[in-house]
Amino acid sequence: SYELTQPPSVSVSPGQTARITCSGDALPKQYAYWYQQKPGQAPVLVIYKDSERPSGIPERFSGSSSGTTVTLTISGVQAEDEADYYCQSADSSGTYLVFGGGTKLTVL
Amino acid sequence: QVQLQESGPGLVKPSETLSLTCAVSGYSISSGYYWGWIRQPPGKGLEWIGSIYHSGSTYYNPSLKSRVTISVDTSKNQFSLKLSSVTAADTAVYYCARGREEGCFDYWGQGTLVTVSS
Repeated sequence: SYELTQPPSVSVSPGQTARITCSGDALPKQYAYWYQQKPGQAPVLVIYKDSERPSGIPERFSGSSSGTTVTLTISGVQAEDEADYYCQSADSSGTYLVFGGGTKLTVL
Repeated sequence: QVQLQESGPGLVKPSETLSLTCAVSGYSISSGYYWGWIRQPPGKGLEWIGSIYHSGSTYYNPSLKSRVTISVDTSKNQFSLKLSSVTAADTAVYYCARGREEGCFDYWGQGTLVTVSS
């Protein structure tokens, strides 16, 4: 079955830049999406179609894609950005959806 | 504003069928989009269960396909999940969500915890 691979954890100090990667063989063909999930809450879409930002999402959140890896970048990290982040995409056929294992972002 | 709300039993016995409903407000299911179910075991990551198009076409996670049925009731503006032969491994928070054509979920319910235990 198709898998997306994320690092389990990333730590940054406030004001620094956090980068969270997600790797998958079908990413050159399929869009990637990023969700932020805080404890006890439902996930929130923060990036769609690799690099588009939904309305209401701060500009410090951005996404990029290069080959089989996509990256979520949070510039000028704030304490409120501490959360779990999940990438999501589809298999090469586009039929089946898959989530990455999630990355816990810790703001030191 | 689109809102989704899950409902159903919070406790299901092993080998029985888990049944949940997602009521949608602020948008008519029959107008379009996909409607999906995602679950999250306690302390673990997200897992896509399956999605249904407003026309009734369904797409299921291959690992769950033999046990899952998703249906839509446009007259009540809601869609449902049935997961049969449940075990403790099916204990999770179950979310319903609206899916865009390109494959992401833009509106989510608050989630409901379903525990499988005798």
